[in-house]
Amino acid sequence: AQSVAQPEDQVNVAEGNPLTVKCTYSVSGNPYLFWYVQYPNRGLQFLLKYITGDNLVKGSYGFEAEFNKSQTSFHLKKPSALVSDSALYFCAVRDSQPSNSNSGYALNFGKGTSLLVTP
Amino acid sequence: DVKVTQSSRYLVKRTGEKVFLECVQDMDHENMFWYRQDPGLGLRLIYFSYDVKMKEKGDIPEGYSVSREKKERFSLILESASTNQTSMYLCASIQAGGPPNTGELFFGEGSRLTVL
Repeated sequence: AQSVAQPEDQVNVAEGNPLTVKCTYSVSGNPYLFWYVQYPNRGLQFLLKYITGDNLVKGSYGFEAEFNKSQTSFHLKKPSALVSDSALYFCAVRDSQPSNSNSGYALNFGKGTSLLVTP
Repeated sequence: DVKVTQSSRYLVKRTGEKVFLECVQDMDHENMFWYRQDPGLGLRLIYFSYDVKMKEKGDIPEGYSVSREKKERFSLILESASTNQTSMYLCASIQAGGPPNTGELFFGEGSRLTVL
């Protein structure tokens, strides 16, 4: 079974400060990890992914994430937050070698973290 | 530009009504998915389809069915809507084939359903 935990329901940060949104995962094999962002009443937009290689991955809008295998974590980060970054963030995982090849492309999502950046 | 279109953004239905949620993708993707999003629960997989006329249950299929008659279209059906099916429904797709697919899902804008 695979799962994702986002331990914080909400993260508050002042504009210009660094932000971190936490994510830990559980898979039986090697993980493929993803971050998505959702603005109010919109669908999910892809931010970045980790498949293999460099543990630090860079994505859209200045976001990056660090894969840590020993801690089974994939935290989302940004050096300087903007008010426009305020949104709902989802971490997702799937197994690189799923037992069911038909369902292997489905992602398991965390419950989401609401990010509020204040001016 | 890739696109997943959910034609109904907002719907209000009454208990017991039959509801169709339509999703169309223009990327020639084999795999399509229906998720349900609820506050505090994240996204939960209802059904998915890996080919025309092929479907498999996700984690919460009860009360739902799906139809995939054409590759680009994946419909979610609520045979008899209930108030506990009030939710945001998200459709997604991904290309299949080749070595283990490393791509991300592409999502539609969502359909917010209210059942009274």
